[in-house]
Amino acid sequence: DADVTQTPRNRITKTGKRIMLECSQTKGHDRMYWYRQDPGLGLRLIYYSFDVKDINKGEISDGYSVSRQAQAKFSLSLESAIPNQTALYFCATSDSGQGKRYTFGSGTRLTVV
Amino acid sequence: AQSVTQLGSHVSVSEGALVLLRCNYSSSVPPYLFWYVQYPNQGLQLLLKYTSAATLVKGINGFEAEFKKSETSFHLTKPSAHMSDAAEYFCAVSGTGGYNKLIFGAGTRLAVHP
Repeated sequence: DADVTQTPRNRITKTGKRIMLECSQTKGHDRMYWYRQDPGLGLRLIYYSFDVKDINKGEISDGYSVSRQAQAKFSLSLESAIPNQTALYFCATSDSGQGKRYTFGSGTRLTVV
Repeated sequence: AQSVTQLGSHVSVSEGALVLLRCNYSSSVPPYLFWYVQYPNQGLQLLLKYTSAATLVKGINGFEAEFKKSETSFHLTKPSAHMSDAAEYFCAVSGTGGYNKLIFGAGTRLAVHP
């Protein structure tokens, strides 16, 4: 089994719909992150969490929310999806020992039509 | 705040030629630096990372990178390109303190021609 699992792998949704992307990990890491990847822009940080009670906005948090349900689970929600949120989304984890080891999920490809 | 600039969104080389992908960083604290590769329709794979040990870092698949503090650079090189190296490459920076996050550059797409 993968260390960081993202579900779904692919999703097509309509404008205005609420959608949740889920991430679970078996690494035992405290820190979890959500990124989105767009062509020519690299990966940009949406939200990050250093522990269950710590949630922080990244550089592009508008239109997104997150929930850290447990150490192992970190969900990303789009309350009302819009077409420019079409992207590849990655969840990642890192250890708390100065953050040298990051583990990425396989990504969720989201299309908003 | 930290940031990364990757010079050249597209790089094209011939098979067997030197690969040089450029990365410059900005950081107010000592950085950790990373190179990741993404093959078509796949996730991210760590190529190598600099974590304040040796300044010349060797990674997988014959890649290496040199940390140059005076130039704030961490360029990725490979002496001889192979067709299988065609992919997108991302440079990333993180601080070395206890609470840091990974910040990525915009990526460089490498094409390898026969």
